[in-house]
Amino acid sequence: EVQLVESGGGLVQPGGSLRLACAASGFTLSTYWMSWVRQAPGKGLEWVAAIKTDGTYKAYLDPVKGRFTISRDNDKNSLFLEMNSLRVEDTAVYYCARYVRTFDFWGQGTLVTVSS
Amino acid sequence: VVMTQSPLSLPVTLGQPASISCRSSQSLVNSDGNTYLSWIQQRPGQSPRPLIYKVSDRVSGVPDRFSGSGSGTDFTLKISRVEAEDVGIYYCMQGTQWPLTFGGGTKVEIK
Repeated sequence: EVQLVESGGGLVQPGGSLRLACAASGFTLSTYWMSWVRQAPGKGLEWVAAIKTDGTYKAYLDPVKGRFTISRDNDKNSLFLEMNSLRVEDTAVYYCARYVRTFDFWGQGTLVTVSS
Repeated sequence: VVMTQSPLSLPVTLGQPASISCRSSQSLVNSDGNTYLSWIQQRPGQSPRPLIYKVSDRVSGVPDRFSGSGSGTDFTLKISRVEAEDVGIYYCMQGTQWPLTFGGGTKVEIK
């Protein structure tokens, strides 16, 4: 059974940093692109970043470029999102999702709140 | 690519059909010939889950009352007979170009 379990969310002040992690199981992580998608409170879905199977290609939403870094450790079945210079507008539930030109499996999400 | 859904809200009687429209600002036909348009369902309080991919392919386990159609820039999700468990927000999403983009969502509720 495919499972994606996010962790690392929390309350952080504007300008602060957080590192999200996603533990993958039930499939071979190294054979799939992976992605982060977020959802601000009461709002719709917004793709944030994606990473190729071997980590050699990464894509980002423009507002997070230069602030967020997606990475992966296939040996440890893990996906990461390093978030720096956080803004109030980054407040959202962050979902880890497997990407196959659609998002075929999603985690339960982890809440990131950026507030002073 | 901007994805525009309509309507924003869709009140439906149980057992009746429902239809959601999604339009993209550019053609979603990829250079490989595929059209990467998906439909995603989010039930209240739950994580999103995929229903349809590549316009009309149903994800394993999704009831056959859900169907997708369309081409180029115009797409439709149809529910042949709405059931109580179909309540939620439906999003279209394109996987043809970076950045990946979602429609704003259509809220399906029971009248």
